[in-house]
Amino acid sequence: DGGITQSPKYLFRKEGQNVTLSCEQNLNHDAMYWYRQDPGQGLRLIYYSQIVNDFQKGDIAEGYSVSREKKESFPLTVTSAQKNPTAFYLCASSRGTTIIYNEQFFGPGTRLTVL
Amino acid sequence: GQQLNQSPQSMFIQEGEDVSMNCTSSSIFNTWLWYKQDPGEGPVLLIALYKAGELTSNGRLTAQFGITRKDSFLNISASIPSDVGIYFCAGQRRDDKIIFGKGTRLHILP
Repeated sequence: DGGITQSPKYLFRKEGQNVTLSCEQNLNHDAMYWYRQDPGQGLRLIYYSQIVNDFQKGDIAEGYSVSREKKESFPLTVTSAQKNPTAFYLCASSRGTTIIYNEQFFGPGTRLTVL
Repeated sequence: GQQLNQSPQSMFIQEGEDVSMNCTSSSIFNTWLWYKQDPGEGPVLLIALYKAGELTSNGRLTAQFGITRKDSFLNISASIPSDVGIYFCAGQRRDDKIIFGKGTRLHILP
């Protein structure tokens, strides 16, 4: 089955600790994305990557970091510099970023709670 | 950053009723996407629209790409309990950036 997996589903961390969220896709998609979702809000783009070894900041990149060493994987690190990290994090992928190839498919999400 | 104006924010309807929701913007979009999100899950793509005026159906769902390229509509006919969830619109701008609306939360009364 092709799809996007995120792990873990729930994550608890103490304030001041860095934490890395996993995102893997076997859809052979070039582009991958990380979004943050807060209650009653839409999706806000954190980082995106159009190709391996390249990534760009989204609208709310401060306090986050990413890497794209493999096509299948796009891990997100929430650093201690992120002021309010508790949120639902969604990873997505698409074949590309231009029209028709831009349909994004989402993983099941990781709910991060910082205590 | 820029966001789409999605309305209504929430809806309470009776099972069997039809539903309409829309997204508008001051910007022109090349693509409109409609997603549904169940609680605690990732959004699932329902319908993708690529041409102004395009009308596309997916079962009981119908979506349209507005002629002005600045809006889109989603209709659900004969709602059923599993339609409950949050519906998001997303538009792709000319610079390829995708913007999401804040969602319409659909509640169905028994």
